[in-house]
Amino acid sequence: KAGVTQTPRYLIKTRGQQVTLSCSPISGHRSVSWYQQTPGQGLQFLFEYFSETQRNKGNFPGRFSGRQFSNSRSEMNVSTLELGDSALYLCASSFGLAEGEQYFGPGTRLTVT
Amino acid sequence: AQSVTQLDSHVSVSEGTPVLLRCNYSSSYSPSLFWYVQHPNKGLQLLLKYTSAATLVKGINGFEAEFKKSETSFHLTKPSAHMSDAAEYFCVVRGRDGGSQGNLIFGKGTKLSVKP
Repeated sequence: KAGVTQTPRYLIKTRGQQVTLSCSPISGHRSVSWYQQTPGQGLQFLFEYFSETQRNKGNFPGRFSGRQFSNSRSEMNVSTLELGDSALYLCASSFGLAEGEQYFGPGTRLTVT
Repeated sequence: AQSVTQLDSHVSVSEGTPVLLRCNYSSSYSPSLFWYVQHPNKGLQLLLKYTSAATLVKGINGFEAEFKKSETSFHLTKPSAHMSDAAEYFCVVRGRDGGSQGNLIFGKGTKLSVKP
């Protein structure tokens, strides 16, 4: 079974721009979660989607948004990029909610200049 | 609210010696606890998980962890370190309250160095 894939792997953007990151979960998994990893704040939960609905959201500003498609693929969008948004963005998939074991993708490294 | 505290930001061991990575948790519920490993420029890999079955949990690559309720600890151990174990390790608890229901709450991480 193929693992979680994320595209692109690396991205460089300028302040004020917006960016869209993509995540394809493991086949059969219906839940996708997104995390931000920075040296200062560590790993922080962004949001979780299940069956195309956002089920849970972390403490991030509204510039961070996401969606999930009927095939369970997910995208996250960050608008009006700030320098502090530079981070590794990790996506994880699981079969179901709550108790599902989460499998992580390799991440997208976003650099904002 | 649930939280985890990793007591060491950096641990250095020699190859072939035991590894101990310490983690304390805080949870008003029976916790679901995990250890994840992250190698440089890679995603996170699940090492093991505790979900209220056996208190001694065996994981991959020879790692194991013991859940101790009285000490609110979930320390990760390995009898003999290998060079390939050098990585960052995260202790994780699953959120149970309201807005954090279901999502993973990560510790700050412990960077493990293995000397030849």
